[in-house]
Amino acid sequence: KAGVTQTPRYLIKTRGQQVTLSCSPISGHRSVSWYQQTPGQGLQFLFEYFSETQRNKGNFPGRFSGRQFSNSRSEMNVSTLELGDSALYLCASSLLEGAGELFFGEGSRLTVL
Amino acid sequence: TQLLEQSPQFLSIQEGENLTVYCNSSSVFSSLQWYRQEPGEGPVLLVTVVTGGEVKKLKRLTFQFGDARKDSSLHITAAQPGDTGLYLCAGADSSASKIIFGSGTRLSIRP
Repeated sequence: KAGVTQTPRYLIKTRGQQVTLSCSPISGHRSVSWYQQTPGQGLQFLFEYFSETQRNKGNFPGRFSGRQFSNSRSEMNVSTLELGDSALYLCASSLLEGAGELFFGEGSRLTVL
Repeated sequence: TQLLEQSPQFLSIQEGENLTVYCNSSSVFSSLQWYRQEPGEGPVLLVTVVTGGEVKKLKRLTFQFGDARKDSSLHITAAQPGDTGLYLCAGADSSASKIIFGSGTRLSIRP
């Protein structure tokens, strides 16, 4: 079956702009989690959605938000971009809510200039 | 806040050598996972360990979960260039509500 699909794969934005990233989970998976990966901080948990509800949230400012649709697809949005938001944003889907096994997409690499 | 520390951060060894990567925490995890990530790709799950003291083998890779479920190790026997990548441990927190990742070990195997 098809894996987790993330779009776009690469994007460049400038400070102050906003960005929306999309994630389509594996068919049948209802949980979608988002992570930010940077060389200095590693993989940091952003949030998890299950059945269109945010079930858990990491320690990121309110500029980072997300949502999940009825077909389990998810989007995350970052507003008022800062240079430090440059990172690889990874989406992972899971059958179970919470601590299930994660299946990752290839990520969206965001560069903020 | 639950933290997972991995060591070493970087490891470069010759093909055919053995190595061990460690994942340590002061917190108890309900389960622990190991992932491998290659450049330009997302992490891929290798194994999940659930029971304290559990040992799982995947070909040349041996994973162990500590008795107290606070630490884990990954041992690779006779490393090959194909083992190169970023190895990440990830723990399910005590309430099993989210997964926390370690800082990663970047492994390079020289032919």
